[in-house]
Amino acid sequence: GAVVSQHPSWVICKSGTSVKIECRSLDFQATTMFWYRQFPKQSLMLMATSNEGSKATYEQGVEKDKFLINHASLTLSTLTVTSAHPEDSSFYICSAETSGRAGETQYFGPGTRLLVL
Amino acid sequence: GESVGLHLPTLSVQEGDNSIINCAYSNSASDYFIWYKQESGKGPQFIIDIRSNMDKRQGQRVTVLLNKTVKHLSLQIAATQPGDSAVYFCAENMPPGSSNTGKLIFGQGTTLQVKP
Repeated sequence: GAVVSQHPSWVICKSGTSVKIECRSLDFQATTMFWYRQFPKQSLMLMATSNEGSKATYEQGVEKDKFLINHASLTLSTLTVTSAHPEDSSFYICSAETSGRAGETQYFGPGTRLLVL
Repeated sequence: GESVGLHLPTLSVQEGDNSIINCAYSNSASDYFIWYKQESGKGPQFIIDIRSNMDKRQGQRVTVLLNKTVKHLSLQIAATQPGDSAVYFCAENMPPGSSNTGKLIFGQGTTLQVKP
């Protein structure tokens, strides 16, 4: 149980285009989903916290107009990288919590590798 | 362009030996800790967790030790196998009442290389 999927697994796009990444909890309902970014040889950095039906909460330094997050249902959250540039190239990983109680284990998706040319 | 950032420390062990991976966490009030394994090109995989009211927890071939006095966490892997080669991250969960409640803060990570 507790499987999280992401789509696409990798994407290459031209600079200036927008890219949408989907995160789905397949066998549970996720009250909260998280989006992380990971650069090569580095740790995961939290970008934003997404709660179903409400606006996402962004971490300091993350541009909310550039990284649009929509959490339309208890099983789906999307991250759209708008007007992508080469510096946005990274590994984007989502996670989902099974419960609203703080401290529950987050289950991670397989990640999406974005390359902006 | 060239990426700039910290390079992950590396632990190299012989197959069959025990591995110990260490982690220092930042918030003395954190109440929940998790170890993750991340293989190349994949998302983090849950290994084992521990709550702050415990100082040791054992799983299958893995043991987590928590020393709250010095804010230190360790992951012990018994009889390390080639399939254990990966990057290992500790993560602390921010406690209730903090501005970061429910968020996971990841450590730097350690690369484990298992030599056959």
